[in-house]
Formats: sequence, C-alpha cells, structure tokens
Amino acid sequence: SQTIHQWPATLVQPVGSPLSLECTVEGTSNPNLYWYRQAAGRGLQLLFYSVGIGQISSEVPQNLSASRPQDRQFILSSKKLLLSDSGFYLCAWSAESVLEQYFGPGTRLTVT
Amino acid sequence: KNQVEQSPQSLIILEGKNCTLQCNYTVSPFSNLRWYKQDTGRGPVSLTIMTFSENTKSNGRYTATLDADTKQSSLHITASQLSDSASYICVVSPSGGSYIPTFGRGTSLIVHP
Repeated sequence: SQTIHQWPATLVQPVGSPLSLECTVEGTSNPNLYWYRQAAGRGLQLLFYSVGIGQISSEVPQNLSASRPQDRQFILSSKKLLLSDSGFYLCAWSAESVLEQYFGPGTRLTVT
Repeated sequence: KNQVEQSPQSLIILEGKNCTLQCNYTVSPFSNLRWYKQDTGRGPVSLTIMTFSENTKSNGRYTATLDADTKQSSLHITASQLSDSASYICVVSPSGGSYIPTFGRGTSLIVHP
C-alpha cells in the first residue's frame, strides 16, 4: 500500500533562517506531488505541484521554493523565513491518471 | 474563476444528532468532487469521491450527494459521535488535464456530549 511521510512534524525557526521540509511517498511510482499551506482558520492554499522529476509549478509568488530531486521525494525550501511563513504545511500525492489526493501528516511551522 | 463555497462555516451539535454540510462550486469542466475530514493538527483524510455520473456515495455514517446540474453537494452525517468533531473540506477537481483541485475553506463541526 502507499504511504506518505513528512518531517519534521513541528518546527520553530527564527525569522531569516533557512527552511527545508521533506516529503516522501512509498508504494507508487511517478506520482503527482503537491505542497499546500494552511493558515489558522483558512482553507488549503496550493503552493507548488510537480508532475515529474525536476518539473515544478508554482501557484503563488512567495518566499518559498520547491524541488523534486527524485521520483518520490518533494522538498519545500526557503533561504530566509518570514513571519508570514508560519502555518501548517501539507504534502499530498495523487496517481498520474487519478485526481484523488492523499495527504501526509503535515508539518507545523512557527516562525518567531 | 473556479470557486468552492462551503456552509455553514461552523456547526455545533449534540452527540447522536444528524447534520448536513453544504458545498457549492463553480469549477468547470467538472471531473470529481471529494469530501475530506481533517482532525485538528492532522492531514485531511478522504471520506467520499464522486464523479459526474454519481449522485450519492456513502462511507459508513457519512453520505455525500451531488447535483451536477446545480453544482451542489452535501455531506450528511448520521448519529454523530464525539470523534466526528473535525473540519470537513469539499474539494472539486476539473477535467481536461489540469492537476489543480479547488478547495473549500471547510466547515468546522463540534459534537458535544
């Protein structure tokens, strides 16, 4: 069966520090991968999605970037965090031809 | 612009009671509609998924309906339990090769004993 992992589960970082969140998927190949952010009391905002290695699409201009170095690995990064980057970050995957999305457990990021 | 509107924003009910959550969407062309349950601090978990040709789908005490003509969906929860307290999110995906679903903001449900 397929599983999706995210780490770390929680993170507290000072303003201006770098960020690296990792997401990996097991049990499937060539998944579509997504990064979402969920601010408190808000809906999920799509940040990036990828349909293949090295293929990244950005949905909103921001302080973050994403990379997909391997088929089942998706990384969310920042060179310098802002206070507004605080939130709950979710990674998700879907099969190439199916739009059902499966979410990871999430990372709670607090920028202080 | 593709949009998904959910109502009510929040709902409080007593344990054992039924409730219905609403979802209206403008996503076109339509591929599928999904309902997710999200516990606080956790990732969303899929409850139901319906395509254009389906007008109802059940998952235990959860029953979703879809009216593709009026672009409306509902999620009915029967005999609510304390564990049903969560946010319920409606998600609509377009057809035509797009990989980008549109999420509603969710309905926050609190079940009191």
